[in-house]
Amino acid sequence: ETGVTQSPTHLIKTRGQQVTLRCSSQSGHNTVSWYQQALGQGPQFIFQYYREEENGRGNFPPRFSGLQFPNYSSELNVNALELDDSALYLCASRGGRNTGELFFGEGSRLTVL
Amino acid sequence: AQSVTQLDSHVSVSEGTPVLLRCNYSSSYSPSLFWYVQHPNKGLQLLLKYTSAATLVKGINGFEAEFKKSETSFHLTKPSAHMSDAAEYFCVVIRLTGFQKLVFGTGTRLLVSP
Repeated sequence: ETGVTQSPTHLIKTRGQQVTLRCSSQSGHNTVSWYQQALGQGPQFIFQYYREEENGRGNFPPRFSGLQFPNYSSELNVNALELDDSALYLCASRGGRNTGELFFGEGSRLTVL
Repeated sequence: AQSVTQLDSHVSVSEGTPVLLRCNYSSSYSPSLFWYVQHPNKGLQLLLKYTSAATLVKGINGFEAEFKKSETSFHLTKPSAHMSDAAEYFCVVIRLTGFQKLVFGTGTRLLVSP
């Protein structure tokens, strides 16, 4: 158990819809990042939040957006869903020391039809 | 830019035999390298990490990896496979300056037969 929880675990949407995925970080962790893992691929970095501010972003379009709340929980929002957005979305948190270790949740599996 | 290449998409071993999962890296400076494991329907878990200290790194569950700069490799090994080792393994390089970003390889699926 990493202490990182994500919801929902599975969901199905149709093309063009919007989705919100949620993440509760491990206690005391003020940094959260989101990754997209397509089937058969390694996770790809979407963005990172530190103390409610986005401070790093991967190669994803603006329709992928996020929020981090004062309790360090986080949301990933995806607008105008496309078929290629079907993937496992992973949330990861870490504390203040930049040791390189991230604590991952079990993910939210999104299917876009 | 940093990247990693996992040379095998699937590796099959018998229980009790050695495991070798291969990873090569590319980095413009001394990298920090990791191996993560992903069991079915589970989140990613850190197995071990190299951060420029000892070149032979020991991790959890009997795994270890050796950093070889001359070969730009960071292969994962285990002397004796166990059924519970069956999972997806990811070699990862990390950028530690500025915001932290993990760059994952494409993964190697380890299959362990009785």
